[in-house]
Amino acid sequence: DGGITQSPKYLFRKEGQNVTLSCEQNLNHDAMYWYRQDPGQGLRLIYYSQIVNDFQKGDIAEGYSVSREKKESFPLTVTSAQKNPTAFYLCASSRRDTQYFGPGTRLTVL
Amino acid sequence: GENVEQHPSTLSVQEGDSAVIKCTYSDSASNYFPWYKQELGKGPQLIIDIRSNVGEKKDQRIAVTLNKTAKHFSLHITETQPEDSAVYFCAASRGMNYGGSQGNLIFGKGTKLSVKP
Repeated sequence: DGGITQSPKYLFRKEGQNVTLSCEQNLNHDAMYWYRQDPGQGLRLIYYSQIVNDFQKGDIAEGYSVSREKKESFPLTVTSAQKNPTAFYLCASSRRDTQYFGPGTRLTVL
Repeated sequence: GENVEQHPSTLSVQEGDSAVIKCTYSDSASNYFPWYKQELGKGPQLIIDIRSNVGEKKDQRIAVTLNKTAKHFSLHITETQPEDSAVYFCAASRGMNYGGSQGNLIFGKGTKLSVKP
């Protein structure tokens, strides 16, 4: 079954803790993306990677970090430096310019 | 910077009526315009897209039109059904001056469509 998986579906974090969100794809796409979605807002780009071992900051990268050690995987770490981390996080991958999204992870800071 | 404006933010129609959602973009280098449907608690799903060399594209009850001169594009849903109720997002590709990245999109803020039976 091909597609993009994100885990966990729900994540709770205490203030001051780092947390890592998983994103895996078996579509053989070169490019992968992380977005943040807040209520009533569009999707805002956090980081993107066009190829293994390379990634670029998006529009709201502060307080986040990523790695791209494998083509299939693009984990996102939400650090304690992110002031307002509670949001719905979406991972996507693309072939050329068509992006396909995973099911999302809802992160709540307690 | 680059921007995509989407209107209306909410839209309520009767089952069987048509629904139209409009978007405008600012980056004249944008050449790819996808539309996504997002159901509650799920990731967005691509429903249709259009490229700058085409003025209109249709897929069953869904159509998209593009006016590059005016920098706007629209989603048209005909014969709406209750299962069409969702949030719809438009997006436009960023120009290549954004770090030379192919595939980067700018999203509108979404339209919540409600179809009443």
